[in-house]
Amino acid sequence: EDQVTQSPEALRLQEGESSSLNCSYTVSGLRGLFWYRQDPGKGPEFLFTLYSAGEEKEKERLKATLTKKESFLHITAPKPEDSATYLCAVRDNYGQNFVFGPGTRLSVLP
Amino acid sequence: KAGVTQTPRYLIKTRGQQVTLSCSPISGHRSVSWYQQTPGQGLQFLFEYFSETQRNKGNFPGRFSGRQFSNSRSEMNVSTLELGDSALYLCASSSGLAGTKTQYFGPGTRLLVL
Repeated sequence: EDQVTQSPEALRLQEGESSSLNCSYTVSGLRGLFWYRQDPGKGPEFLFTLYSAGEEKEKERLKATLTKKESFLHITAPKPEDSATYLCAVRDNYGQNFVFGPGTRLSVLP
Repeated sequence: KAGVTQTPRYLIKTRGQQVTLSCSPISGHRSVSWYQQTPGQGLQFLFEYFSETQRNKGNFPGRFSGRQFSNSRSEMNVSTLELGDSALYLCASSSGLAGTKTQYFGPGTRLLVL
């Protein structure tokens, strides 16, 4: 059974203090790993898709990386508007649906 | 391009009632997936429809059902509501099957069962 865990559960950073979020997964053949951002009361917003180990993608202050067992979402010099819950999801070679992790709740203080 | 829309945004029902939620996907998208989100269980997959056919189903009881129309709009129905059905119900659309293409989520319908 596919499983996704995320750590830490919650993270508080000062504005400008860089850090990383972790997503560890167990899947029968990874077809894709997805990062989403979710603001309170809203649906998840797509950030990145990673397909193979060694792949990296960047968008503004965010950079996602992928290994065979985990993915990291690096946040460089975060701003208060980066505060949100960050969700990781995987899809395997056999299933057609996504399995989501529990998320990391990020708070960036001014 | 308009995003995924869901109606209603908020709903209050009592135990035993039934409810129907609606989702309009992004124009051109043929796949609609439904998810339940609760603080305790997180985001859980309910089912996916593609070209009016249910393609995948998560581990939810038969009280949860859905359908998709020829214009790709989808409805989800929950019968005999239970207190534990209180949740944010999200739908997501994609241009291909959910596992093959990026999913874009709607704002959700928040259901409260009293």
